[in-house]
Amino acid sequence: EAQVTQNPRYLITVTGKKLTVTCSQNMNHEYMSWYRQDPGLGLRQIYYSMNVEVTDKGDVPEGYKVSRKEKRNFPLILESPSPNQTSLYFCASRGQGSSGANVLTFGAGSRLTVL
Amino acid sequence: GQSLEQPSEVTAVEGAIVQINCTYQTSGFYGLSWYQQHDGGAPTFLSYNALDGLEETGRFSSFLSRSDSYGYLLLQELQMKDSASYFCAVRAEGGFKTIFGAGTRLFVKA
Repeated sequence: EAQVTQNPRYLITVTGKKLTVTCSQNMNHEYMSWYRQDPGLGLRQIYYSMNVEVTDKGDVPEGYKVSRKEKRNFPLILESPSPNQTSLYFCASRGQGSSGANVLTFGAGSRLTVL
Repeated sequence: GQSLEQPSEVTAVEGAIVQINCTYQTSGFYGLSWYQQHDGGAPTFLSYNALDGLEETGRFSSFLSRSDSYGYLLLQELQMKDSASYFCAVRAEGGFKTIFGAGTRLFVKA
């Protein structure tokens, strides 16, 4: 089954304790992206990657890092989490071509609470 | 700045038709998409328009007018299971960024 898998699904942590949210896709997609979802704000893009070793900032990159060493994996790293990073996080990937490039496939989401 | 505007909430009755509008202001435009998200779930793709006009997919249709920077999602024969949040999204900035609206919460009443 074509899917995007992210872990953990739920995490409670404390301020300053580094954490990584993993994301993996099995569709051979070149493009992957991370979003955070907060009430009333929709989904906001954190970082995206157009291919292996090619990443760029989205609209809300502060406090986050990413890496893309393999095509299938795109982890999101919070080096020193703060309470304002408490949110629901989604990883997504998309295909190529005029139609595929407009269809994002999302993971199930990771709910992060920073105390 | 870049923005997508859509109503925050819409209520309709089962069997009716509802239209959710979206106006956008973005740097570049590579297509308007619509996603559905049920409570506790992930967004799932519904429809996409790159060119002006109407696209139909079963009970759902989506319309785009690039000259008006406007689109809408039309849901027909509403069912209770259509109660969800609906997001419009634009692929912008060279096609590398996807910008989402804040979402429209649809309540379907019996």
